[in-house]
Amino acid sequence: DIQMTQSPSSLSASVGDRVTITCRASQSISSYLNWYQQKPGKAPKLLIYAASSSQSGVPSRLSGSGSGTDFTLTISSLQPEDFATYYCQQSYSTPYTFGQGTKLEMK
Amino acid sequence: EVQLVQSGGGLVQPGESLRLSCAASGFTVSSHYMSWVRQAPGKGLEWVSFTYNGADTDYADSVKGRFTIYADTSNNTLYLQMNSLRVEDTAFYYCARMGGWLQSECWGQGTLVTVSS
Repeated sequence: DIQMTQSPSSLSASVGDRVTITCRASQSISSYLNWYQQKPGKAPKLLIYAASSSQSGVPSRLSGSGSGTDFTLTISSLQPEDFATYYCQQSYSTPYTFGQGTKLEMK
Repeated sequence: EVQLVQSGGGLVQPGESLRLSCAASGFTVSSHYMSWVRQAPGKGLEWVSFTYNGADTDYADSVKGRFTIYADTSNNTLYLQMNSLRVEDTAFYYCARMGGWLQSECWGQGTLVTVSS
């Protein structure tokens, strides 16, 4: 199975900050990397797929990059609605494993 | 509008069975990869299974041989039949439509399955 490792596990930041979350795969997954946002009590929401393609309706301040084994999700200027938990997922081969999550909290 | 509405969760005892439903609207389930993802309370996300038109299916090792995913085209609904349930299967279960990169692009609202004696 492909292991996905996110860092950091938690992050405190302020509105307006630039934030980067990283995700590392245990083997190359080409660009089969997705990012999701989840708020308490809600279903996850797709943000980024294919490493860098934005899902329709996602604000441009959220962007993804990377290929192979190393990927990043960047929020250029944090807004109040961005405080949530973020997960990466590889869809290169089954089982389509997720990272352990990064909880983004308000400082 | 693309929508997935889930039903069928609840409290069962270990060893019992349960079937989850995921009714789709705005698209045809048989024309898309469809998946189930679960999340134990307070924990992270775990991929469970996917299917494509009944011809291509796969499962996480943790549920293989106990869970069956299938779609009913007559009512445009995705199902997850869960047999021999274990305490560790306790989780919120989400259905999702998958896109061209096998990303989960549209999610149901989730349903809680609790396995406890």
